[in-house]
Amino acid sequence: AQKVTQAQTEISVVEKEDVTLDCVYETRDTTYYLFWYKQPPSGELVFLIRRNSFDEQNEISGRYSWNFQKSTSSFNFTITASQVVDSAVYFCALWGHSNYQLIWGAGTKLIIKP
Amino acid sequence: DVKVTQSSRYLVKRTGEKVFLECVQDMDHENMFWYRQDPGLGLRLIYFSYDVKMKEKGDIPEGYSVSREKKERFSLILESASTNQTSMYLCASSILRDRVFTEAFFGQGTRLTVV
Repeated sequence: AQKVTQAQTEISVVEKEDVTLDCVYETRDTTYYLFWYKQPPSGELVFLIRRNSFDEQNEISGRYSWNFQKSTSSFNFTITASQVVDSAVYFCALWGHSNYQLIWGAGTKLIIKP
Repeated sequence: DVKVTQSSRYLVKRTGEKVFLECVQDMDHENMFWYRQDPGLGLRLIYFSYDVKMKEKGDIPEGYSVSREKKERFSLILESASTNQTSMYLCASSILRDRVFTEAFFGQGTRLTVV
């Protein structure tokens, strides 16, 4: 069975703090893809990143970085120097070859206080 | 830019009504999806379609049906709306490149309230 767990329901930090959102997944597929999406208050989900199972290099995009570790089945997302505009619900998702469906985590609500 | 447009942002319907949620995408994507989003449950797949007139059940298809008569349009139908179908509904489209899922593009969501 495939599963994505985002154990943090809600995180609240003060602006400029660093924050890490956790994502743990389960799959028996050897080839799979992991995604992060952002859902701001407006409601529309915005794609942030896709990572395939053969590429364990960490990725950095501006203040955003992702740490993929197959050994612990985790794909964590870190925001450095957080800003109020980062406030949103963040979803981690998994796609595997075996069922051609995206499996979603429950989401983490991130609140950045000024 | 890819655009996925849902016909309504907010909708209020009465129990027992037949409800149509419309979704249109402008990027010629083969795959389209309907999700339901509820607090603490993430996104749950209702139905998806990988081609015109093709449809597949997702995780929670009961009480719903879909229609895909044209490639760009994917409709979700609540045959007889019930209060437990009050939720946020999200439409998405994507392509499969070499049988690999790329990113999904989402509409802005329809918040449906059934009273």
